Amino acid sequence: GQNIDQPTEMTATEGAIVQINCTYQTSGFNGLFWYQQHAGEAPTFLSYNVLDGLEEKGRFSSFLSRSKGYSYLLLKELQMKDSASYLCAVSEGEYGNKLVFGAGTILRVKS
Amino acid sequence: GAGVSQSPRYKVTKRGQDVTLRCDPISSHATLYWYQQALGQGPEFLTYFNYEAQPDKSGLPSDRFSAERPEGSISTLTIQRTEQRDSAMYRCASSPPNGGSEQFFGPGTRLTVL
Repeated sequence: GQNIDQPTEMTATEGAIVQINCTYQTSGFNGLFWYQQHAGEAPTFLSYNVLDGLEEKGRFSSFLSRSKGYSYLLLKELQMKDSASYLCAVSEGEYGNKLVFGAGTILRVKS
Repeated sequence: GAGVSQSPRYKVTKRGQDVTLRCDPISSHATLYWYQQALGQGPEFLTYFNYEAQPDKSGLPSDRFSAERPEGSISTLTIQRTEQRDSAMYRCASSPPNGGSEQFFGPGTRLTVL
C-alpha cells in the first residue's frame, strides 16, 4: 500500500521562504511530483524528482531522498498568489503512470 | 485542443440514477487518467488509459464505476446506480505516454448525488 504524509496547513509571510515536507511509504516508486492547486481550480504541475537531490526551477525547488522516503518543496520570495494547496504525489506502477497523491498542504501567505 | 476539457462541469442527480462524465484530452496525449477528488483531499486515482487500452483500473471503487476510451481520444466515466457517497469532483488528466510525464488536469465535473 501507499502512505503519503504532509502537513495540513502552513502560514508564512510575503517575501519569506517556506519548506513543505512530504514523507512517503510505497510499494513501488517511479518518481515524485509536486502540484499546486488554487481553491476551486485544477492541480498544476510544479516539479518532478526521480533521482536524489535538488531540482531548482525559479522560485521553486524540490528535493528528494529515496532512501529516506522524503521530499520537500521550497518556495522562495513568497508572493500572495502562492497561497494555495501543495500536493505531493508518488508515481507508481510498471510505467509510473499511477499517481498517488497526499492530502495536500494549504499554504497561507500573509502580508 | 488547447487543454483538457470536461463536461458537464456540474451534475446533480438523484440516488439510483446513472451518470456519464466526459473528458476530452489534449490531442497529442496518448495517456488519459481519471481521478476522484473529495473536498480538502488530493485527487484519488481511479483508472488510466494508454490510447484505448486500460492497463490499470485498480482505483475504481466498485463495479458500478466503468470507463471507456474506444478510439483512444475522448473518454467517458460512467457511474451506475449512483449513491450519495459518489458525490465528489471527478477530474480527468492527460499526458504523453511515458511515465514521469507531467499530467495536465481538466477543470473537473462536480457531481452531487441527492
